[in-house]
Amino acid sequence: DGGITQSPKYLFRKEGQNVTLSCEQNLNHDAMYWYRQDPGQGLRLIYYSQIVNDFQKGDIAEGYSVSREKKESFPLTVTSAQKNPTAFYLCASSPVRGFTDTQYFGPGTRLTVL
Amino acid sequence: AQSVAQPEDQVNVAEGNPLTVKCTYSVSGNPYLFWYVQYPNRGLQFLLKYITGDNLVKGSYGFEAEFNKSQTSFHLKKPSALVSDSALYFCAVRVNTGTASKLTFGTGTRLQVTL
Repeated sequence: DGGITQSPKYLFRKEGQNVTLSCEQNLNHDAMYWYRQDPGQGLRLIYYSQIVNDFQKGDIAEGYSVSREKKESFPLTVTSAQKNPTAFYLCASSPVRGFTDTQYFGPGTRLTVL
Repeated sequence: AQSVAQPEDQVNVAEGNPLTVKCTYSVSGNPYLFWYVQYPNRGLQFLLKYITGDNLVKGSYGFEAEFNKSQTSFHLKKPSALVSDSALYFCAVRVNTGTASKLTFGTGTRLQVTL
């Protein structure tokens, strides 16, 4: 899992509440990513950021929001608008030296909506 | 659309036997292909990648992958499987989106190695 930390490891929330997942990296990587993993569907990209104060929507951004105020931090907020938020959330980072760079992943946060 | 496919949900192999986990891709232009492994309740670990050059790529933990342009495949292989190799394996392809690039993942193949 390298120098990427995600907290908490497990998170429970009541329906209708917003919740924020933390992602921090000490690899000095420029780019950071958030993925959602559901059984049998692989990983789907939620948001990504290639530089501080800039981010783009991925394939399933609806119901999520992010910020990138610092290079090392990329928190994800799961809002009450997300219809099915229970999933395993993975954060990743990459150096952005070009299109061939590797993404490195954190240990993940498992979110359960009660 | 640019994508990867992993046709097998699960692969079963006995310890000591060779293993293959299949991946095919569909991209325009040059493919940049990756393999990752995921152990239960953990993040993904990078195994290897193909960018250009030699079609046989060697990676971590004794794994290798063979790039085959004519068959648009990038199968993951290991000569002798270990029980500890049991995990979920993902193939991914780098996709250019104009101003950036992103990874598109396959649905994953569960490898089960038994004694």
